[in-house]
Amino acid sequence: NAGVTQTPKFQVLKTGQSMTLQCAQDMNHEYMSWYRQDPGMGLRLIHYSVGAGITDQGEVPNGYNVSRSTTEDFPLRLLSAAPSQTSVYFCASSFGQSSYEQYFGPGTRLTVT
Amino acid sequence: GDSVTQMEGPVTLSEEAFLTINCTYTATGYPSLFWYVQYPGEGLQLLLKATKADDKGSNKGFEATYRKETTSFHLEKGSVQVSDSAVYFCALRGRTSGSRLTFGEGTQLTVNP
Repeated sequence: NAGVTQTPKFQVLKTGQSMTLQCAQDMNHEYMSWYRQDPGMGLRLIHYSVGAGITDQGEVPNGYNVSRSTTEDFPLRLLSAAPSQTSVYFCASSFGQSSYEQYFGPGTRLTVT
Repeated sequence: GDSVTQMEGPVTLSEEAFLTINCTYTATGYPSLFWYVQYPGEGLQLLLKATKADDKGSNKGFEATYRKETTSFHLEKGSVQVSDSAVYFCALRGRTSGSRLTFGEGTQLTVNP
């Protein structure tokens, strides 16, 4: 199993540009989520999904969209990038809502200039 | 709402020193508690967990005990190694939060030979 994969590893955007961060898992996990990691603030939940076709907002959803058309994929879209979205983004998955362990991808480092 | 507070870092120790990283939490009811570790350039990995009061989680020589009376989950290791250098995150999952995790701000640990 590849586990949780994320692409790209690094990305630089200009303010106002849009892009999609990709996340995929091959463990047939129901639950997937996106976090952003900022210095001194730990990880904050952006959006999550409890299964294909179902998504919901986390703590900091503004400026981001998600969809979950398949169990495997959970892309994160930035519609109009802002410097405040400069961060490291992590995708995570788990078997279900009651599962204790979440599996994290290696992260995408995004810089918005 | 739920919150996690970790001791401020960074922490620098010599090899074989004793490690304590403090973690306290605020949550409704009795959450599950976790320590995650992030090695340089990687995503987060579950280090240990405790799901009820007085449980002790342990892994790779690290331990943490769920203390309801002090709402704490301090991470300890008796003798650290250079390979333990990483960022450590305390996290909780509330009883009604599904798989949603609330993270502390993280503590950078550097172990020198």
